[in-house]
Amino acid sequence: AQSVTQLGSHVSVSEGALVLLRCNYSSSVPPYLFWYVQYPNQGLQLLLKYTSAATLVKGINGFEAEFKKSETSFHLTKPSAHMSDAAEYFCAVSGAGNTPLVFGKGTRLSVIA
Amino acid sequence: NAGVTQTPKFQVLKTGQSMTLQCAQDMNHNSMYWYRQDPGMGLRLIYYSASEGTTDKGEVPNGYNVSRLNKREFSLRLESAAPSQTSVYFCASKGSGSGPYNEQFFGPGTRLTVL
Repeated sequence: AQSVTQLGSHVSVSEGALVLLRCNYSSSVPPYLFWYVQYPNQGLQLLLKYTSAATLVKGINGFEAEFKKSETSFHLTKPSAHMSDAAEYFCAVSGAGNTPLVFGKGTRLSVIA
Repeated sequence: NAGVTQTPKFQVLKTGQSMTLQCAQDMNHNSMYWYRQDPGMGLRLIYYSASEGTTDKGEVPNGYNVSRLNKREFSLRLESAAPSQTSVYFCASKGSGSGPYNEQFFGPGTRLTVL
């Protein structure tokens, strides 16, 4: 069975500072991993996904994530936070075949001017 | 190409009332999903449909029923609404290849309040 743990329900950073959102996974099969972003009062939008092609994955809006099998981690980073990055971020792991994604509980990112 | 659409956007019900949340996708996807989102709980799967004609329970199915009307549409029904069902409901669909690496596409959500 797959599961995801996101460390920190709320992260606050200053504008221009590094963003680091943590995600650890548990999977009985080689995992496919995803990061989604949810802006206030909107649905979820895909930021990036890991499909085993490369361990460092680049996504939209300057975000990237690195898959580390030895640490079972897929942390999301952005070198310089922008006010528009304030949102909730969800890490998810894919089940096998057609089974649904399993989501973490989310991390709310606040960006302080 | 509208993606995943949901109706209604907002709904207020009284305890015991029933209603159906509608979801449709125009991407020719095989798989569709219903989630609920509550503060601090992330997204929890209610039901899903791996393909037309099949449905399966997710993590929190009690109090809900679903219908996969055709390949495009997947509805969620609350037969007798309870205050505990106050939540934001999201419908999603998954790429036609339906492999584990395909992303899920989400609708804009339905905000439901049960008084």
